[in-house]
Amino acid sequence: KQEVTQIPAALSVPEGENLVLNCSFTDSAIYNLQWFRQDPGKGLTSLLLIQSSQREQTSGRLNASLDKSSGRSTLYIAASQPGDSATYLCAVNYRNFNKFYFGSGTKLNVKP
Amino acid sequence: GAVVSQHPSWVICKSGTSVKIECRSLDFQATTMFWYRQFPKQSLMLMATSNEGSKATYEQGVEKDKFLINHASLTLSTLTVTSAHPEDSSFYICSAREVWGSNTEAFFGQGTRLTVV
Repeated sequence: KQEVTQIPAALSVPEGENLVLNCSFTDSAIYNLQWFRQDPGKGLTSLLLIQSSQREQTSGRLNASLDKSSGRSTLYIAASQPGDSATYLCAVNYRNFNKFYFGSGTKLNVKP
Repeated sequence: GAVVSQHPSWVICKSGTSVKIECRSLDFQATTMFWYRQFPKQSLMLMATSNEGSKATYEQGVEKDKFLINHASLTLSTLTVTSAHPEDSSFYICSAREVWGSNTEAFFGQGTRLTVV
């Protein structure tokens, strides 16, 4: 059974801090992994997509890494801002199953 | 990135009635779309996989006669909640895959908040 776990469940930091969100998955035979942001009552916004052959992806202040052998991915947010406050979800895609498995999310609060 | 449009964004209906939610891929063709359900403070749970021109594939525990899915074209999938009850109140989100080369990336609609009274 594929399981995706995100730690911590919630995180509160002062503005300007660098932070790391963690995602772990039980089956390392992934096709790709995607990080999303969800604002309250809203849909999902794709942040970064990492293919199984890649080790990291960067977009602005965001950097996502992937270590398939250990079943882990991290999302690094540099110089956090209050606008970064949201729930961050990671989702693992096993192509053979043609669907995503989502973690339960990390709710981030960046205090001004 | 690609755009997935979901309509309506919110709906209130009476118990016993049916509600239809649309999911459209605006600038790409999607042979496969996915429907998720999200309860408050929980993550997304896949309900079903919608395949263009064929029957949907439902996850275990999802009633296919209650949640009717139609994927009539490469850009449109619909989810109909039949004989809705208050326990069906939830946030429903669709997604579609854009395939480029050997890569795929999922894009999500903005979600539909369903409240059954």
